[in-house]
Amino acid sequence: GNSVTQMEGPVTLSEEAFLTINCTYTATGYPSLFWYVQYPGEGLQLLLKATKADDKGSNKGFEATYRKETTSFHLEKGSVQVSDSAVYFCALSASGYSTLTFGKGTMLLVSP
Amino acid sequence: NAGVTQTPKFQVLKTGQSMTLQCAQDMNHNSMYWYRQDPGMGLRLIYYSASEGTTDKGEVPNGYNVSRLNKREFSLRLESAAPSQTSVYFCASSTYIFATSGGKGDTQYFGPGTRLTVL
Repeated sequence: GNSVTQMEGPVTLSEEAFLTINCTYTATGYPSLFWYVQYPGEGLQLLLKATKADDKGSNKGFEATYRKETTSFHLEKGSVQVSDSAVYFCALSASGYSTLTFGKGTMLLVSP
Repeated sequence: NAGVTQTPKFQVLKTGQSMTLQCAQDMNHNSMYWYRQDPGMGLRLIYYSASEGTTDKGEVPNGYNVSRLNKREFSLRLESAAPSQTSVYFCASSTYIFATSGGKGDTQYFGPGTRLTVL
């Protein structure tokens, strides 16, 4: 079946540090890949997405590249801010399905 | 646009009581979903409705029922609440992208959540 594996947290960084959160997936066909972010006390919101191999999604300084050869979609940001502290979820939508498969989430804590 | 709205925001029930969580979207999406979020478990799909008039079980459907009332509204019912159903519940909606190679879901938009405690 379809699955998403992402690194466990929490990830603790100082402000302006470089961020990488790893995400790998298992799916048949050509899934779409997503990163969602959840701020404390809120619902999930889309951060970025990529719908085909080698696409790069980007938003608010975050980037992720759809790598089919390594089945990965790692999230990166060059310089994190305290306001980036949140839980980040990697997800996929596989061919033939309307549903998303989520990873378990990675908490990011950024200190000043 | 309000996006996806959920009511209530908070609820406390006693074991055995029933309640319905309401969800509505104003984005003309054809697919809607109910998830629960528990610490360390990520999001787990309870039920979904790929289109108006259809509903399907997700990963954790036991103890729940759903109704797709119309294209806008999708409700989740707990007939006899149990402490194991203490959780945060999220509703979401999306479009479905049809393609000759096999359609798939598009971005899901989430509501703000309902925090449910069952005593």
